[in-house]
Amino acid sequence: GQQLNQSPQSMFIQEGEDASMNCTSSSIFNTWLWYKQDPGEGPVLLIALYKAGELTSNGRLTAQFGITRKDSFLNISASIPSDVGIYFCAGRGTNAGKSTFGDGTTLTVKP
Amino acid sequence: DGGITQSPKYLFRKEGQNVTLSCEQNLNHDAMYWYRQDPGQGLRLIYYSQIVNDFQKGDIAEGYSVSREKKESFPLTVTSAQKNPTAFYLCASTPGTAGSGNTIYFGEGSWLTVV
Repeated sequence: GQQLNQSPQSMFIQEGEDASMNCTSSSIFNTWLWYKQDPGEGPVLLIALYKAGELTSNGRLTAQFGITRKDSFLNISASIPSDVGIYFCAGRGTNAGKSTFGDGTTLTVKP
Repeated sequence: DGGITQSPKYLFRKEGQNVTLSCEQNLNHDAMYWYRQDPGQGLRLIYYSQIVNDFQKGDIAEGYSVSREKKESFPLTVTSAQKNPTAFYLCASTPGTAGSGNTIYFGEGSWLTVV
């Protein structure tokens, strides 16, 4: 199946620093979703984007739906230890059954 | 509380056995999905269902079967034909197909291990 290119694969940052990650695709999407997954748990939705160019914040998280509809980024500002986890992007097109997921970015925050 | 409930959380399967993972949602969502996640990898779609009594194969349907007899339930059977079933399985649902209806919500996952 089709894959999104999510980068970086892993990040190691100091507490208080910002973290940015992005996803790019060769396909156009109507929806971009960002999730956080803790080990052994299901992904939890962080931010949903439904419109090209949309910039949405959720607390210290900000995500944008790229103008080309082929990319999205997630930024975490002023990181804290509980931000540790795996962050996934997902793109959804017009086929309701099909979502494409990135391979995840593993974030480590050093106190 | 509304949500997606998967059970069991942990399941062990012997070689040659079929096992069924349960997924129930009380969100009144139309569409439900099953994904498989292997360590360090993204999610791969096994099966999905957009309405009751209808379902379609995803990217890795071989060795799996599903049913959708009720809107709130979408059980996944891992058959003996699935040669490498050890993985983390995630059930998900979406309200509909447009705008915010395109948002995917996940259950907490089920670990399946072959012994």
